[in-house]
Amino acid sequence: SQQGEEDPQALSIQEGENATMNCSYKTSINNLQWYRQNSGRGLVHLILIRSNEREKHSGRLRVTLDTSKKSSSLLITASRAADTASYFCATDQAGTALIFGKGTTLSVSS
Amino acid sequence: GAVVSQHPSWVICKSGTSVKIECRSLDFQATTMFWYRQFPKQSLMLMATSNEGSKATYEQGVEKDKFLINHASLTLSTLTVTSAHPEDSSFYICSARDGLRSNEKLFFGSGTQLSVL
Repeated sequence: SQQGEEDPQALSIQEGENATMNCSYKTSINNLQWYRQNSGRGLVHLILIRSNEREKHSGRLRVTLDTSKKSSSLLITASRAADTASYFCATDQAGTALIFGKGTTLSVSS
Repeated sequence: GAVVSQHPSWVICKSGTSVKIECRSLDFQATTMFWYRQFPKQSLMLMATSNEGSKATYEQGVEKDKFLINHASLTLSTLTVTSAHPEDSSFYICSARDGLRSNEKLFFGSGTQLSVL
């Protein structure tokens, strides 16, 4: 089953620009998490935001969560070529498995 | 932090053979592990939940007789793809939750790329 829908599906930007990815989900959640995946590799956990939180920062990452709209956004500021990857949101409903969204493929060119 | 080790990282096999993938929690006990599958350019799809000492719970559309899951100990779950066919070629990744340290974060293995010829 898939919970989240990300948009855009693909995003191409220049180094130094900001990248914003959005995620929508369908059911109530305990928390929402964002992951990065480089091509053909495992997942890297980026950030977790709980259902009672609205915004969280980690380095160049900023995540927002709007539970009334069942949506979240991930902002990467001052992007670098190394940020090129696929980004997935994943929702945790009841402390069991994470359900992943479809993902956004980010390409940052120098 | 908690570590999940997955082995092998890649495997190539002939059609009709079986392939076993291991997932180990190295420094914590995992009563529950999760198996995901990812086709190229797609997202991770939950296949099954592996429970220590009991039968796995499979997601709708996942054949339990084709994807055998064994979770015989608190640190090891295995996924066996039986009679593999080219359409089973995919990236398989396991994850586990360290309930003692954090019930929120899932720790992921590095994944297994399966190619069936």
